[in-house]
Amino acid sequence: DSGVTQTPKHLITATGQRVTLRCSPRSGDLSVYWYQQSLDQGLQFLIQYYNGEERAKGNILERFSAQQLPDLHSELNLSSLELGDSALYFCASSGGTDYYEQYFGPGTRLTVT
Amino acid sequence: ELKVEQNPLFLSMQEGKNYTIYCNYSTTSDRLYWYRQDPGKSLESLFVLLSNGAVKQEGRLMASLDTKARLSTLHITAAVHDLSATYFCAVDSNSGYALNFGKGTSLLVTP
Repeated sequence: DSGVTQTPKHLITATGQRVTLRCSPRSGDLSVYWYQQSLDQGLQFLIQYYNGEERAKGNILERFSAQQLPDLHSELNLSSLELGDSALYFCASSGGTDYYEQYFGPGTRLTVT
Repeated sequence: ELKVEQNPLFLSMQEGKNYTIYCNYSTTSDRLYWYRQDPGKSLESLFVLLSNGAVKQEGRLMASLDTKARLSTLHITAAVHDLSATYFCAVDSNSGYALNFGKGTSLLVTP
């Protein structure tokens, strides 16, 4: 158990809809990262937050947005969903003495029908 | 753009045999990571290699890093069925810690 939690575990929704994925980082970690894993694209970095502020952006679509709340939890919002957005979405957190090492949550499997 | 290439992408090996997975990356990076993923599961950190010549071992797995060649290897010794999984290498950029992953090596160990 990495200490990172994600909800929900599974999500099935229709095209055009909007969903929110949630992440609770390890206690004390200030950085949160979001990754997408799909058969087509592999594992891709989406976005990073550090202590509430956006730190780095990867291959994140404009239809996607994220935030890190004051309690350090994070949300990834996906809107105008398309079939191709079906994927496993991972949250990871880092901090502490090994500030670079990321611990991954169990993931949210999103299926868009 | 930082690129990470792994080979092979698929590997079927017999129990008891040795094999090596290779990971090449395109630009200088301070850190190289190896992760394991079981089907439908999360990523489990195996090794973090921090400097040229670094070598780490855990059980039947040994990872090494050559930053000059931009190459890391994951060596499997006397494979057992429990090692069947997908193994990813990743590097982070010098400007941040976001991970750039290889495509993964799907390993199947058969009796």
